[in-house]
Amino acid sequence: GAGVSQSPSNKVTEKGKDVELRCDPISGHTALYWYRQSLGQGLEFLIYFQGNSAPDKSGLPSDRFSAERTGGSVSTLTIQRTQQEDSAVYLCASSLAGTSGSYEQYFGPGTRLTVT
Amino acid sequence: AQSVTQPDIHITVSEGASLELRCNYSYGATPYLFWYVQSPGQGLQLLLKYFSGDTLVQGIKGFEAEFKRSQSSFNLRKPSVHWSDAAEYFCAVGPSRASNYKLTFGKGTLLTVNP
Repeated sequence: GAGVSQSPSNKVTEKGKDVELRCDPISGHTALYWYRQSLGQGLEFLIYFQGNSAPDKSGLPSDRFSAERTGGSVSTLTIQRTQQEDSAVYLCASSLAGTSGSYEQYFGPGTRLTVT
Repeated sequence: AQSVTQPDIHITVSEGASLELRCNYSYGATPYLFWYVQSPGQGLQLLLKYFSGDTLVQGIKGFEAEFKRSQSSFNLRKPSVHWSDAAEYFCAVGPSRASNYKLTFGKGTLLTVNP
């Protein structure tokens, strides 16, 4: 079956521009996560969606970052007024967490964001 | 707060040699522990996981890991390394309902395999 997909795979943008990153989770997975992977910081949790519950936004680094999940499936991570320190690989993961008790997170290939 | 330490940033082994990657965790309850592997330009692939029960867990690609509560460790092992094992390896702890199921990762260990 299809895994987690992300688009675009690579994005180069100019400082100050807005970007949108997309994640398609595995069908039937109710939980969706965004992580950021950058040099020196490793893998950091950004945001978590579970069903219709309010998202856990505790990992978002600033108010320039936001995310939504439409219809309990596709998610979009938006970064406004991008800065060079936003350059990183953004990873999306999905799981059945909180429902069937299967906590494994399955990761997409990531979007490499470069801010020039 | 949960945390993970991978003491070795970079390890080099010869093909056919045995491998052990170290992972220590800090967690307030019985942890859920994971090892993921990331090949260059790829996402993370789950190698194995520990939730409960037998403390020696088997994973894909011939990897195994042993949970030692007394040492707060979950070290990854492989008896004979193949060149295709060269990648970055991440240990992770979580998830739990209290943490909203998010994973906390170590900084990773980069494995180089010499022919």
